[in-house]
Amino acid sequence: LAKTTQPISMDSYEGQEVNITCSHNNIATNDYITWYQQFPSQGPRFIIQGYKTKVTNEVASLFIPADRKSSTLSLPRVSLSDTAVYYCLVGERGLPGFPIPTFGRGTSLIVHP
Amino acid sequence: EAQVTQNPRYLITVTGKKLTVTCSQNMNHEYMSWYRQDPGLGLRQIYYSMNVEVTDKGDVPEGYKVSRKEKRNFPLILESPSPNQTSLYFCASIGGGVNTEAFFGQGTRLTVV
Repeated sequence: LAKTTQPISMDSYEGQEVNITCSHNNIATNDYITWYQQFPSQGPRFIIQGYKTKVTNEVASLFIPADRKSSTLSLPRVSLSDTAVYYCLVGERGLPGFPIPTFGRGTSLIVHP
Repeated sequence: EAQVTQNPRYLITVTGKKLTVTCSQNMNHEYMSWYRQDPGLGLRQIYYSMNVEVTDKGDVPEGYKVSRKEKRNFPLILESPSPNQTSLYFCASIGGGVNTEAFFGQGTRLTVV
């Protein structure tokens, strides 16, 4: 499983765009990049997954450069309710024995009024 | 509705008294996993299971046991709980194939005195 590195914490203000970058220098050809969000005392929940270029859904965008050694989760116009921990995971999917996710510490995002 | 159900949500117990935290999923997923979460340490994997009767250790298995006798259930067993197992526990069920999103239970807050 590719090792990931992301900032431990970030601060932002309501209405701003937040970009959280994750480094995964050893990403393998078949690996996908997945982001989860966790609110206090709740289990993480899936936000977005991608393989290359850009993926967008109703919650966030995921930007992946051509070399795929990093990825950026973009949260547009954050609100106080976006205060959470964000986890970046890298792993292979679609095959038997898909790695069970290991989450690490994640990035603690605090959104201020 | 797709869900992972953990019980109990809260538990206070004494050192050495065996306990079981149950986890059940209704998505027919093959993969399930247990995590513990402690302040500043993120989510750490305890045990995981690739299928019925197939389990393996995660990063912090000491003091825990699991079983997977049927696909939907994956109980976590603490044979002789100790205070250092006081933590917030999450069970997750992970889809295989192209749907590799992890679904988490509500969490079990365990206190061992």
